[in-house]
Amino acid sequence: AQSVTQLDSQVPVFEEAPVELRCNYSSSVSVYLFWYVQYPNQGLQLLLKYLSGSTLVKGINGFEAEFNKSQTSFHLRKPSVHISDTAEYFCAVRKDTGRRALTFGSGTRLQVQP
Amino acid sequence: NAGVMQNPRHLVRRRGQEARLRCSPMKGHSHVYWYRQLPEEGLKFMVYLQKENIIDESGMPKERFSAEFPKEGPSILRIQQVVRGDSAAYFCASSPPATGYQETQYFGPGTRLLVL
Repeated sequence: AQSVTQLDSQVPVFEEAPVELRCNYSSSVSVYLFWYVQYPNQGLQLLLKYLSGSTLVKGINGFEAEFNKSQTSFHLRKPSVHISDTAEYFCAVRKDTGRRALTFGSGTRLQVQP
Repeated sequence: NAGVMQNPRHLVRRRGQEARLRCSPMKGHSHVYWYRQLPEEGLKFMVYLQKENIIDESGMPKERFSAEFPKEGPSILRIQQVVRGDSAAYFCASSPPATGYQETQYFGPGTRLLVL
């Protein structure tokens, strides 16, 4: 079974500073990787996904993530954050065979301060 | 093009009552997933359904929980005899047919269940 670890439960950062949210996964088979964002009292919105090809994936709202197979990581980055980026961010994986369900990490709360 | 619809958005039940949560997938989507989010935790998979079929229910509690996705109408997640531990946000996601494992799941706004 696969698992996802988001090491940081909270990340405070000042507006216009860069940010990196860390995600590591474990799986014995190939996986697809996703980052979702959840604003307060809302559902999840897909930020970006890695299926195959280039390991650097660009998503919405200026976010990008890099898939590193050797380190089993899929860290999310943004060079300059805005107040509006304050939200909960979830990393998720799915195997490329078998179960279709997503396995989520526990989430990282990004708090952007003025 | 409406997204995934869930209702009600908030539901309050007393212990022992039944809770019914509804999910209407995006137009053209025939796969539905239910996830549960406990306070301060990530989402946990519960069940995966296609029209009239339960494909994977490995995340469903063995008792009191059931799900269906009829040929016509929304998917229903039913919780009988609710207990306080059932208080959580329940999210539905849908995906289009025949897209394989590269599919993207689109999430609804969730139903927040509070059991008193």
